Amino acid sequence: SQTIHQWPATLVQPVGSPLSLECTVEGTSNPNLYWYRQAAGRGLQLLFYSVGIGQISSEVPQNLSASRPQDRQFILSSKKLLLSDSGFYLCAWGRTGDVTEAFFGQGTRLTVV
Amino acid sequence: AQRVTQPEKLLSVFKGAPVELKCNYSYSGSPELFWYVQYSRQRLQLLLRHISRESIKGFTADLNKGETSFHLKKPFAQEEDSAMYYCALRIVDTGRRALTFGSGTRLQVQP
Repeated sequence: SQTIHQWPATLVQPVGSPLSLECTVEGTSNPNLYWYRQAAGRGLQLLFYSVGIGQISSEVPQNLSASRPQDRQFILSSKKLLLSDSGFYLCAWGRTGDVTEAFFGQGTRLTVV
Repeated sequence: AQRVTQPEKLLSVFKGAPVELKCNYSYSGSPELFWYVQYSRQRLQLLLRHISRESIKGFTADLNKGETSFHLKKPFAQEEDSAMYYCALRIVDTGRRALTFGSGTRLQVQP
């Protein structure tokens, strides 16, 4: 069966520090991969999605970037965190060609102080 | 750009009362609509999709293209229905392979 792992579960980082959140999927090949941010009162905002290795689509201009160095690995990064980057980050995967169902990870609570 | 609006942040009802979680979308083409649910301490997961026309856990949702709505309904709420509900949209006739989510509605079912 397929599983998705996302870590760390919680993270407290100072303003200006770098960020790296990692997400891996097991049990499937060539998944679509997604990073969402869940901010208070704003619901789920799509940040990035990827349909293959090295292919990243960015939805909103921001301080963050994403990379997909391997088929089932998706990384969310920042060189310098801002206070506004605080939030709950969710990684998700979907089957190739099927964008109707996304399977979500447990999420990472990021607090920038 | 496509948008999903869930006007209520919180909906509180008593057990046994009818529930309607509102969802409106903005897109003039062919959309696909979904409802996702997140129970306490669980992952966000798919509840139902409009193309299936199915009832899941007593919930149904009908796509109304005239009103651009996809409201989630249940005739008799149960306490275990308490959760965060997200409406989501997929634009069929583009290559965008991602869902657009609304801001979510928290449903509280009181005993």
